[in-house]
Amino acid sequence: GESVGLHLPTLSVQEGDNSIINCAYSNSASDYFIWYKQESGKGPQFIIDIRSNMDKRQGQRVTVLLNKTVKHLSLQIAATQPGDSAVYFCAETFDNYGQNFVFGPGTRLSVLP
Amino acid sequence: KAGVTQTPRYLIKTRGQQVTLSCSPISGHRSVSWYQQTPGQGLQFLFEYFSETQRNKGNFPGRFSGRQFSNSRSEMNVSTLELGDSALYLCASSVGGGGAEAFFGQGTRLTVV
Repeated sequence: GESVGLHLPTLSVQEGDNSIINCAYSNSASDYFIWYKQESGKGPQFIIDIRSNMDKRQGQRVTVLLNKTVKHLSLQIAATQPGDSAVYFCAETFDNYGQNFVFGPGTRLSVLP
Repeated sequence: KAGVTQTPRYLIKTRGQQVTLSCSPISGHRSVSWYQQTPGQGLQFLFEYFSETQRNKGNFPGRFSGRQFSNSRSEMNVSTLELGDSALYLCASSVGGGGAEAFFGQGTRLTVV
């Protein structure tokens, strides 16, 4: 069943191409960021995280870039696959004490065959 | 290692009733956070529990409450249900520190009629 917004920004990419999903975060004091992937009917799945003392972090096929000057976060997916189709959320937290994430509105990624 | 387990998966309640949702975190995780996800508002933080104490609270009315048990399992309760409470309720568990990965369950889909 659907679990995310009906009017999300959508990014359509060809299978095999690289995808770039962008996120503007709200609080300049935020110091920890996570990208999540949510497939229909499932909870968000952790992809990659980055702390504010870093500009870039790489995982398997994914890279997160952080630009604190303009409060911008991006997720790059290399060689996009059909299984990457989902809604992607960035989440920020500015609470060093606990778990209190503020989520972005999400971007729907559609991978075209 | 078992993931985050939420029960029940689906629930239908009548306006004015109350409901209790359950979350079992990943073994060893002491922090449990609750989020509400709706198409209109996206993912919104409800509250976080750590070692049986509420550590953070979002901007929701007092009808939304929670608790955590000594085994880290958590419950959230919504009293006097309103139609607008229909949502996917997600639980996330973490080892506990700020800036730690949060792992989500599949959620409980609550429908208020």
